[in-house]
Amino acid sequence: DGGITQSPKYLFRKEGQNVTLSCEQNLNHDAMYWYRQDPGQGLRLIYYSQIVNDFQKGDIAEGYSVSREKKESFPLTVTSAQKNPTAFYLCASSIEAGRNEAFFGQGTRLTVV
Amino acid sequence: AQSVTQPDIHITVSEGASLELRCNYSYGATPYLFWYVQSPGQGLQLLLKYFSGDTLVQGIKGFEAEFKRSQSSFNLRKPSVHWSDAAEYFCAAYYGNKLVFGAGTILRVKS
Repeated sequence: DGGITQSPKYLFRKEGQNVTLSCEQNLNHDAMYWYRQDPGQGLRLIYYSQIVNDFQKGDIAEGYSVSREKKESFPLTVTSAQKNPTAFYLCASSIEAGRNEAFFGQGTRLTVV
Repeated sequence: AQSVTQPDIHITVSEGASLELRCNYSYGATPYLFWYVQSPGQGLQLLLKYFSGDTLVQGIKGFEAEFKRSQSSFNLRKPSVHWSDAAEYFCAAYYGNKLVFGAGTILRVKS
């Protein structure tokens, strides 16, 4: 089945540690996105990538980093510089950025203690 | 600013009643607009999309939305709500290549 896989579903880390969230898609989509979701704030864009080896900062990129070395993979690293990393993280992809609907993974809930 | 506004944080309707969820987008949005639905702890599912043409678009689960350029709005409607429609609903629009979401509206359904 085609889709977007985020792993793990739940992730716990100690404060000060970097952590990488996985996002893989087998839809052959060019564009991929990372969002952070907090109650009452909707989805806020962290980073997006229109094509392999290219990515742009979204609205809340500080404290996060990404890579896009392969078309199907767009991992997100939450660094120790992110002041409030506990949140629900959603990955999405679309055929092409700027036009097509995005398809979402099931999310990763990160808790930093 | 690039923003999508959903004025209602919570809405409660009785089962069988009609529903309208409001969405407004700021200047600069492309004519690619979307409504998504999310169940707790899950990803988002696309309900419907507007790209061009007829301003009234039909989606899944009996939902429809109307694009009104003059009002910068893309409101979601359903004639008769079912208890299973209780969820959080998000409106989204493209600003260039950025897909921007509203803050969401939580729908509660009374039996």
